Amino acid sequence: DAMVIQNPRYQVTQFGKPVTLSCSQTLNHNVMYWYQQKSSQAPKLLFHYYDKDFNNEADTPDNFQSRRPNTSFCFLDIRSPGLGDAAMYLCATSRDSRETQYFGPGTRLLVL
Amino acid sequence: DQQVKQNSPSLSVQEGRISILNCDYTNSMFDYFLWYKKYPAEGPTFLISISSIKDKNEDGRFTVFLNKSAKHLSLHIVPSQPGDSAVYFCAATRNRDDKIIFGKGTRLHILP
Repeated sequence: DAMVIQNPRYQVTQFGKPVTLSCSQTLNHNVMYWYQQKSSQAPKLLFHYYDKDFNNEADTPDNFQSRRPNTSFCFLDIRSPGLGDAAMYLCATSRDSRETQYFGPGTRLLVL
Repeated sequence: DQQVKQNSPSLSVQEGRISILNCDYTNSMFDYFLWYKKYPAEGPTFLISISSIKDKNEDGRFTVFLNKSAKHLSLHIVPSQPGDSAVYFCAATRNRDDKIIFGKGTRLHILP
């Protein structure tokens, strides 16, 4: 059974058109993470939520926002996607910040 | 500036032989190291970890070795099996509650 679910798996958007990626989890974990992984690069942490507390990485562009309306769901909003934002976006969860992270399958974003 | 480096983008190993995946890090503050495995169209899954107080951790066919003085760790898989064909990410963190820094990954091909 899927534990970390990401929708959609593939997303095509136009340059400058806002897009929202979705992540849900059935693990009841406290922490949810969003990573960006560009081709042949390492996954890079954008931000994470510890419960309702939002933690933004210093180098995450303002173009990227996140929402966590409840324990199960977390959204990644890209307000004005640029061509450089085309990447795989990975959601992960962990019970606590010191615990193993469980990843979803990712959403591949293409910007036209 | 990459803090976790996997210098081999790919590696091919004969089935039944030993696979050795290498990883170097630059930040001497890292004290916890992880390996994740990723199949196509799936998210990374946790494989094995090691704390800096140890130099070896073994789990079945998988063994991770840590050489702190050289800032180097390696993952040994023996014997290698076809199902081991995947991308392997080395990762490191400080105090386990700091963010995880990933390497770019090494694609392992197990040859029949």
